[in-house]
Amino acid sequence: EAGVAQSPRYKIIEKRQSVAFWCNPISGHATLYWYQQILGQGPKLLIQFQNNGVVDDSQLPKDRFSAERLKGVDSTLKIQPAKLEDSAVYLCASSLRWADTQYFGPGTRLTVL
Amino acid sequence: KQEVTQIPAALSVPEGENLVLNCSFTDSAIYNLQWFRQDPGKGLTSLLLIQSSQREQTSGRLNASLDKSSGRSTLYIAASQPGDSATYLCAGQDTGGFKTIFGAGTRLFVKA
Repeated sequence: EAGVAQSPRYKIIEKRQSVAFWCNPISGHATLYWYQQILGQGPKLLIQFQNNGVVDDSQLPKDRFSAERLKGVDSTLKIQPAKLEDSAVYLCASSLRWADTQYFGPGTRLTVL
Repeated sequence: KQEVTQIPAALSVPEGENLVLNCSFTDSAIYNLQWFRQDPGKGLTSLLLIQSSQREQTSGRLNASLDKSSGRSTLYIAASQPGDSATYLCAGQDTGGFKTIFGAGTRLFVKA
């Protein structure tokens, strides 16, 4: 069974530029999560999808971050414009249903200069 | 608002020792508690998931317990090995808001 796929693995951009991350969850998993992990901290949930609907985005900075999950499969997280404090690892996870085991992808390390 | 705390932040033990990692949460309205392992530069690997109706789960040398009334979960690692060296994270999922809240993790180093 293939795991959660993410791309790119690394990205370096200048502040005020835009960037997009892609995630393909495990086949059949209805729930998809995006997390931000700053060095030395635990992951922070940004947005959670159930199929293609948003169930929680309370911690997503909506003035600059956006996410979508078209057709309830893969998902894209976008930052526009990026700030220095957005430097972090962005993790995608999926689970069969809400409250089931979450499986994580390898993450995308973003550096904003 | 749910908060998850992990103590200690770092732990160093000799190989073969049994050890306990602690996780505490402020709101007992928790649906489940999951333990993860994270190796440097890697994503998270799920270790154990405890539903609110359960008190513990076991997998190999790992045993995790959940006590909602006291707001605590523990991860017990038996006969530790150098390959167990990693950061261990716990995460609670709320009953009402679906949100997953992570602790900051415990960095474990097992000396050969």
